[in-house]
Amino acid sequence: AQTVTQSQPEMSVQEAETVTLSCTYDTSENNYYLFWYKQPPSRQMILVIRQEAYKQQNATENRFSVNFQKAAKSFSLKISDSQLGDTAMYFCAFMKPGGGSNYKLTFGKGTLLTVNP
Amino acid sequence: GAGVSQSPSNKVTEKGKDVELRCDPISGHTALYWYRQSLGQGLEFLIYFQGNSAPDKSGLPSDRFSAERTGGSVSTLTIQRTQQEDSAVYLCASSLGWRGAWETQYFGPGTRLLVL
Repeated sequence: AQTVTQSQPEMSVQEAETVTLSCTYDTSENNYYLFWYKQPPSRQMILVIRQEAYKQQNATENRFSVNFQKAAKSFSLKISDSQLGDTAMYFCAFMKPGGGSNYKLTFGKGTLLTVNP
Repeated sequence: GAGVSQSPSNKVTEKGKDVELRCDPISGHTALYWYRQSLGQGLEFLIYFQGNSAPDKSGLPSDRFSAERTGGSVSTLTIQRTQQEDSAVYLCASSLGWRGAWETQYFGPGTRLLVL
């Protein structure tokens, strides 16, 4: 079974600064998908960024980028120019390849990020 | 609708009662997922529906939990004889269902269940 570990339960950053959230995972699969989801106080999970394991290039979405290290099974999220609206719980998630119920997500425990003014 | 909706938003019940949680997916989405978010266990997969195929119930924690999806749209998660450990936020998500892992799962706001 796959496991996802987020070792930082809480983090804080000053507005406009950069912060990196850590995620490691364990799997025997060679191809898979990794995601970062954001959950603000409204509880609604929002996809931030995703990465396919067979793509070596790190994914980027505006101020969000990842550092994907396949050999180390590490998938960290970097948030640049942090904004107050980035305050939320961030979850790292894993998905197996293939069809059917492989599309279910396996989540880490989450990191609570607070952006301070 | 514009997004995934869930009802009720909050539910307080007494131990031993049955509860029903409802999810309305995004129109046209054939895949639907239920997850549970609790303090002790984090976010866990419960059940997955894809079109008219038999659902994947591998994540349901006990036979007190069941779910159905009528007409390929609305889904209801039922918890019978609720226990205090069932207290959690129950999240529903839907996706297109044909693009595989590359498609986005859109989540609803969840139902917060408290069993007294």
